[in-house]
Amino acid sequence: GIQVEQSPPDLILQEGANSTLRCNFSDSVNNLQWFHQNPWGQLINLFYIPSGTKQNGRLSATTVATERYSLLYISSSQTTDSGVYFCAVVTGGGNKLTFGTGTQLKVEL
Amino acid sequence: ETGVTQTPRHLVMGMTNKKSLKCEQHLGHNAMYWYKQSAKKPLELMFVYSLEERVENNSVPSRFSPECPNSSHLFLHLHTLQPEDSALYLCASSQEWIVPNKGTGVSVSAYYEQYFGPGTRLTVT
Repeated sequence: GIQVEQSPPDLILQEGANSTLRCNFSDSVNNLQWFHQNPWGQLINLFYIPSGTKQNGRLSATTVATERYSLLYISSSQTTDSGVYFCAVVTGGGNKLTFGTGTQLKVEL
Repeated sequence: ETGVTQTPRHLVMGMTNKKSLKCEQHLGHNAMYWYKQSAKKPLELMFVYSLEERVENNSVPSRFSPECPNSSHLFLHLHTLQPEDSALYLCASSQEWIVPNKGTGVSVSAYYEQYFGPGTRLTVT
């Protein structure tokens, strides 16, 4: 099956710093989503981005499907950005999301 | 209620108990999913229901039994669970479209993004 790798696995930032999270996948994909899992376990949709670039406030994402990677940019980080960020992809038919192992982000004052 | 809701949010059960998890989506979607998130493991797909029919079962043990009575509701019935089944169980929904392929004459399914509920944290004692 498809392999989805995220880096870095852990990241500690000072409030106000910027960061880039990376998602590499081993096969072509039909769909790609980025999620933020808060400390209570809720998965929050950030982006649906099988290709191209999108922006939403302090967050933006870019997927380069031909090179099999996606990037999530967080600017001016806040303590509420803490949590785990997941990349998930769909390959082939159907809608089975395969999740990466996540990036654990902690933003400190 | 908006989005995807799940009840209960927390559940502690013994290995001989029978319980059910409930999921309801208020998004007008026609596909629903159960995922399992164990400690130190990526989220794993358990079941997919599309148009109220089960289309995928990722080799899940029979002690987990899904039910989808309509496109808005999804249940996961639990019986004789093991301590290793303790995990966060997440429900999701999405919209499925049937896309006709004029070249081949075969219709294929296309899906949009999935939305998740808050999860049920299950502890098996």
